Order: sequence, then C-alpha cells, then structure tokens
Amino acid sequence: DTAVSQTPKYLVTQMGNDKSIKCEQNLGHDTMYWYKQDSKKFLKIMFSYNNKELIINETVPNRFSPKSPDKAHLNLHINSLELGDSAVYFCASSPTSGPNTGELFFGEGSRLTVL
Amino acid sequence: RKEVEQDPGPFNVPEGATVAFNCTYSNSASQSFFWYRQDCRKEPKLLMSVYSSGNEDGRFTAQLNRASQYISLLIRDSKLSDSATYLCVVNRDNFNKFYFGSGTKLNVKP
Repeated sequence: DTAVSQTPKYLVTQMGNDKSIKCEQNLGHDTMYWYKQDSKKFLKIMFSYNNKELIINETVPNRFSPKSPDKAHLNLHINSLELGDSAVYFCASSPTSGPNTGELFFGEGSRLTVL
Repeated sequence: RKEVEQDPGPFNVPEGATVAFNCTYSNSASQSFFWYRQDCRKEPKLLMSVYSSGNEDGRFTAQLNRASQYISLLIRDSKLSDSATYLCVVNRDNFNKFYFGSGTKLNVKP
C-alpha cells in the first residue's frame, strides 16, 4: 500500500498548456503539502493545507492553484505552463499528533517537463 | 539569506570512513530539526530527528547547537549504501512549515 501517492509520475507538455497533478494519502494525516524541487535539487514549499484549509502559500504565482476536496487529497493545477515550471513536484503529508508528529511523508514525485 | 544552509559537497569517502555534515539555520525561533535522506530520483525520507541533547541511531549521530544555530550529522563506518543526498530540515513556528537545505551529496566508494 502506497502511503502518499501522486499521479502522474511523468508529465511532458508544451508551454502555455494547463495541467494537473493529483495526490492522495491514506495515512490519516491532517496536513498535506506541495513542494517543488528544481534542477539544483532545492526543495521549496509551495502550499500547505490543514484539514482542507490553506495555511501556507509561499509566494507562488497564481497560475498554480491547489485544491483539497478532503483531507486525504491535495491536487495541484497549473495554468499557462512556462519553461521555468519544469521541476519535480512532491506531495507530502504529516501528522499533527502522535508518534510521527513533525515527520514528512513524501510521494514519489511528479516530474514535469515543459517544452 | 536562506533559512537553511548546507555545504552541497560532494563528499567522496572510502568505505569505512567517518564523515560529518553541518547545517546552519537562520531563524532562532526554529523548533524542530531533522535529517532526511534522498536517493537519486527518489523522494526524501526521514533519516532521524535531532534532539537538543543529541541522539544516536546505529552508525548515525545527530547534534544540535542552538546557541550557534547549527545541526550536524556524523556517519561512522560508511557503507556503499550510504551514498545519497542528506537534507537538513528545520521546522519553524509550528509543525506545518518545514524548511529544507539544498542537501549535501555523499559518495561512498569501495
């Protein structure tokens, strides 16, 4: 059973297109995140949701719109894709109580290439 | 200034060597500290949390120095399988905001 799963794993698309990445976690965690890892391997937080509420939005262009239909899902929609959006996007979740408090559980990543 | 800074390496060491990584963080309000490991083209995974008094897990020892705002990771008796990128992670304010360093790459050679 995959704890945090995201789809698609690979995405190749043209500039200007709109695309979505989906994420689901079956760990019962309250908080979910989107991180972007660029070519220099720097992991930067984009968004965080706690129980479907947006709590972190780290100066991400408004072409990026997260949506959390319930606390187990956090999707990322990107409009008008640009070359600089090429990166690996990681979904993660974390509990806010219990023995694993403070630990991030990551999905396998979605590698986006914009041509 | 970045929230978390690490030497990117790479550190190239022979099997059996002891290697140490340091990491500094900029915000004194940071509350929780972690080391994550990321293998090539994989997701980061928690290696260990870092406690104020320092902690050890097998060949790995983590230390925290709040006064100087740095965290260290010591790996003893390096194995080939330790080759990876080690990410220093700091949590500030609450448990919802994690800041990652850019990672230190370790290559353990036979």
